[in-house]
Amino acid sequence: EDQVTQSPEALRLQEGESSSLNCSYTVSGLRGLFWYRQDPGKGPEFLFTLYSAGEEKEKERLKATLTKKESFLHITAPKPEDSATYLCAVIQTDSWGKLQFGAGTQVVVTP
Amino acid sequence: GAVVSQHPSRVICKSGTSVKIECRSLDFQATTMFWYRQFPKQSLMLMATSNEGSKATYEQGVEKDKFLINHASLTLSTLTVTSAHPEDSSFYICSAHAIRQSTDTQYFGPGTRLTVL
Repeated sequence: EDQVTQSPEALRLQEGESSSLNCSYTVSGLRGLFWYRQDPGKGPEFLFTLYSAGEEKEKERLKATLTKKESFLHITAPKPEDSATYLCAVIQTDSWGKLQFGAGTQVVVTP
Repeated sequence: GAVVSQHPSRVICKSGTSVKIECRSLDFQATTMFWYRQFPKQSLMLMATSNEGSKATYEQGVEKDKFLINHASLTLSTLTVTSAHPEDSSFYICSAHAIRQSTDTQYFGPGTRLTVL
């Protein structure tokens, strides 16, 4: 069964304490993997798209990496404003662009 | 760029009434728009895929007669929840994929909170 699994479910960090979020996927064919950030009561905000194993993307304190089975979102020296739920999603090669989301990781960064 | 809006942001209605939610791509044309619903503490669940000028494709278990989707132009899609009931209360979010975009990235609207009394 095709699945997207994110871990941990929740993460509490001190400001400046770097960490990584995991997204593992089991799909028949990966077209792309996406990371989004969602704040409470708002729609997801696009962060990164990754297509190939070994690919890396960076934006400010965030860095996303991709292997053949999983992706990591690294948060370096987080600030309280990085608190949000981070969603991972995949598009399969035969899915007509449909995003399949993981359950998300809720990140709280305390001062 | 890549801004998607939704209207209304919040709606409260009585059971049995219909509610229309608009999704607009403000600075790009969208070949495809998607509609999702999200329950508290849960992730997004795709309801349907909407292509301009053609019928929407609904996911398994989503009633097409209850959730009417119209994609009238390359910048507007609407979702109408017909004969709404309390169990339809949820957070509805649309996304859009841009024409002439080399990636598959979807950009999301801010969501509409529907409460059915």
